[in-house]
This record gives sequence, C-alpha cells and structure tokens, in this order.
Amino acid sequence: ILNVEQSPQSLHVQEGDSTNFTCSFPSSNFYALHWYRWETAKSPEALFVMTLNGDEKKKGRISATLNTKEGYSYLYIKGSQPEDSATYLCASDINNDMRFGAGTRLTVKP
Amino acid sequence: SQTIHQWPATLVQPVGSPLSLECTVEGTSNPNLYWYRQAAGRGLQLLFYSVGIGQISSEVPQNLSASRPQDRQFILSSKKLLLSDSGFYLCAWTSGLGNQPQHFGDGTRLSIL
Repeated sequence: ILNVEQSPQSLHVQEGDSTNFTCSFPSSNFYALHWYRWETAKSPEALFVMTLNGDEKKKGRISATLNTKEGYSYLYIKGSQPEDSATYLCASDINNDMRFGAGTRLTVKP
Repeated sequence: SQTIHQWPATLVQPVGSPLSLECTVEGTSNPNLYWYRQAAGRGLQLLFYSVGIGQISSEVPQNLSASRPQDRQFILSSKKLLLSDSGFYLCAWTSGLGNQPQHFGDGTRLSIL
C-alpha cells in the first residue's frame, strides 16, 4: 500500500447503531497514525494519535485500534448519535510527512 | 492557550492573479506548521510543512510557494493562480515534539474564476 486508504467512503446508520471504519496505510517507515473528526463548517478535530502496534485508545463512545505490521487501523463508534455525523479522517505521519486518507463520511439518522 | 488564525475565510480570484494566504499561531513557540488543500471530492493533501523559520519542505510540485518569515507565521503564495488551484486550504500546527495531533485553522475557501 503506497497511499492511505479509508473505507467505506460513506456510511449511513441509525441512531444507536454501532459502526466501524477502516484505515489502511503504508507499514514501512511508520511513525504515527492520526484520527480526526471533521464536522461540516468546522475545522478537523484530533481524536487519537497512535504509535505502537496493538495500541488501543478510547474517548467516550469512540475507540481505535492499530496494527502497524499489516498497516491498518479501525475506528469504532458505539451507540452512534446524530452529533457523531461527520467525516472521519485518518493520516499516516512519516516524520512530518502527513498523508491523509479521503475520509469516511458518517451520517447518523435519528 | 494556543490558537491558530487563518485568513481570509473565503476568496474569489481570477485566473492569473496572485495569492497570499496567511496563518498565525499564538500561545506556543517553534511550532511545526503545515499547509493542506482539499480539492473537491478529495481528501487533504499536504502542500508544505515547516519545522522552523525559513525552513520549508514542499510535498507537491506546483505553482504555489510557502514562506515562514517569523516563528509563528506561515504564508501560502502564488504568482499566477490556475483554475486547478481552487479548493479549501487549511493551515495547521503541531508542537513538534513528536506524536502530537495537528491543530487546524478554520480554512480558506478559494474559488478561481
């Protein structure tokens, strides 16, 4: 994998559903993996920065895991709420060279 | 607390005109500074980053340039804009200590006519 890829591109879920997205990144020269939430008309907001293989981080209902050997990270949202609607971006940090994926656009229907 | 200011918020420019977007950071010293562009329907593309005054790394060859005349000031410029320069431009900073999240400005929506 040469670029950072995210899937799915978009996702529609019902309020209360749990969901997850995937971020794939180059595993060579890995330094850190970032997750951001980008709401419409706002600037991207940092969720997590992960560096170690097997890392798992949690913030409220949102959590993320990291596999640096195979080059993927999962973001999980438990019990989605309408306010979780946003684009979720991941980025691979290779010594200040930040490579962003195209994002997963999540829409949570009430 | 640290803040980042980016202006203008929106800009409409004719093809061939010059460009200057400014970004300043307050409340921190010697930050790493970044310029990104989001073209329509695409993700964020890193354009330039800087780890110190006068130090600019370019990620994508193009008709844009960046300068860092002061520690907390980052400027994105062009001498002649192209239609393909349209997009949403974001400035960001990080502490430079390693493994730190990026903090983004509010962005500039640039439309080229």
